[in-house]
Amino acid sequence: AQSVTQPDIHITVSEGASLELRCNYSYGATPYLFWYVQSPGQGLQLLLKYFSGDTLVQGIKGFEAEFKRSQSSFNLRKPSVHWSDAAEYFCAVGGDNQGGKLIFGQGTELSVKP
Amino acid sequence: DVKVTQSSRYLVKRTGEKVFLECVQDMDHENMFWYRQDPGLGLRLIYFSYDVKMKEKGDIPEGYSVSREKKERFSLILESASTNQTSMYLCASSAHLSVNNEQFFGPGTRLTVL
Repeated sequence: AQSVTQPDIHITVSEGASLELRCNYSYGATPYLFWYVQSPGQGLQLLLKYFSGDTLVQGIKGFEAEFKRSQSSFNLRKPSVHWSDAAEYFCAVGGDNQGGKLIFGQGTELSVKP
Repeated sequence: DVKVTQSSRYLVKRTGEKVFLECVQDMDHENMFWYRQDPGLGLRLIYFSYDVKMKEKGDIPEGYSVSREKKERFSLILESASTNQTSMYLCASSAHLSVNNEQFFGPGTRLTVL
């Protein structure tokens, strides 16, 4: 079955520390992978996406993610977290056989300590 | 920039009422989606539409219906609201089927059913 797992429901990091949010997927074909961020009371905003090519993708707000096919992972990273990064983060997978639909993970809530 | 708007940010309804949630996008997108978001469950797809007057059930369509009479507008209808439909509802749109799965989200409607 196609699915996305974000193992960490809630993560707390100190401001200035590095961040890695985990995402594992199960998908039978070539995946399209996305990370979205949702600030409190807002809709989802795309951080970055991977379709093909270079497996390390850069996104907005200083985020990057690495696609590792052998591990079925697409982890999100940031070298130095800012207080404004506190939000909920969603990983999603889609593909050519999905009819435009995306499958979302459960989300990881990030808190930032001053 | 793609803009997806939702008719209400907050809505309070009574059990048994008929509820309409409206979504409008301004980028001539073919695909439109309705999700509900609940803590710990991520985003779950209720219905989607890939063309005017076309609709398909998502993962949790029970208790909901949709309408798409014009390309830019996609309505979610709760025929008889129940307390277990209290949730955040997110609308999204995307360009043509499977060419680009990136979805653009509205700000969400937080619905409370009393």
